[in-house]
Amino acid sequence: KAGVTQTPRYLIKTRGQQVTLSCSPISGHRSVSWYQQTPGQGLQFLFEYFSETQRNKGNFPGRFSGRQFSNSRSEMNVSTLELGDSALYLCASSSLKSGGGRTEAFFGQGTRLTVV
Amino acid sequence: SQQGEEDPQALSIQEGENATMNCSYKTSINNLQWYRQNSGRGLVHLILIRSNEREKHSGRLRVTLDTSKKSSSLLITASRAADTASYFCATVSDYKLSFGAGTTVTVRA
Repeated sequence: KAGVTQTPRYLIKTRGQQVTLSCSPISGHRSVSWYQQTPGQGLQFLFEYFSETQRNKGNFPGRFSGRQFSNSRSEMNVSTLELGDSALYLCASSSLKSGGGRTEAFFGQGTRLTVV
Repeated sequence: SQQGEEDPQALSIQEGENATMNCSYKTSINNLQWYRQNSGRGLVHLILIRSNEREKHSGRLRVTLDTSKKSSSLLITASRAADTASYFCATVSDYKLSFGAGTTVTVRA
């Protein structure tokens, strides 16, 4: 089985621009979560999607948004980039039975975003 | 805010020694998981322990969970240079993984 694929791996953007990151989960996984990792704040939960519905959202401003497609692929978008958005953005997929507890998450290699 | 807090923040040991790190959390959980991250890369799932379990083993890893104290520990036995990484505990509730700040383990040859 192919793992979780995130594209692009590296990205450099200018303040004020917007960016879209992509995540392809493991085949058959319907749950996709996004995390931001920075040296200062650690791993912070952004949002989780299951069957195209956002089920949970972290404490991030509205500039951070996401969506999930019918094939479970997910994208996250950050608008009006700020220097503080520079981070490693990680996507994770998991196989979640409806109504059940969460199983282990499988992470992609991440997208390293640098805002200059 | 982060749910789990790992202790110590950093650990340096000799190859062959054991490494122990602890995790404390604040709220009730469905399960608790441990992950490893090599420098700047994605996280790798190590082990999952459910809230009704007390101890679990996987290879050289041993995890304990004490829900009354809201704490967990990860023991890596007979460490190897390849175990050099950051280790994170993550608690699970409401479909969300909440990570601690991590323990950075350095295994010296």
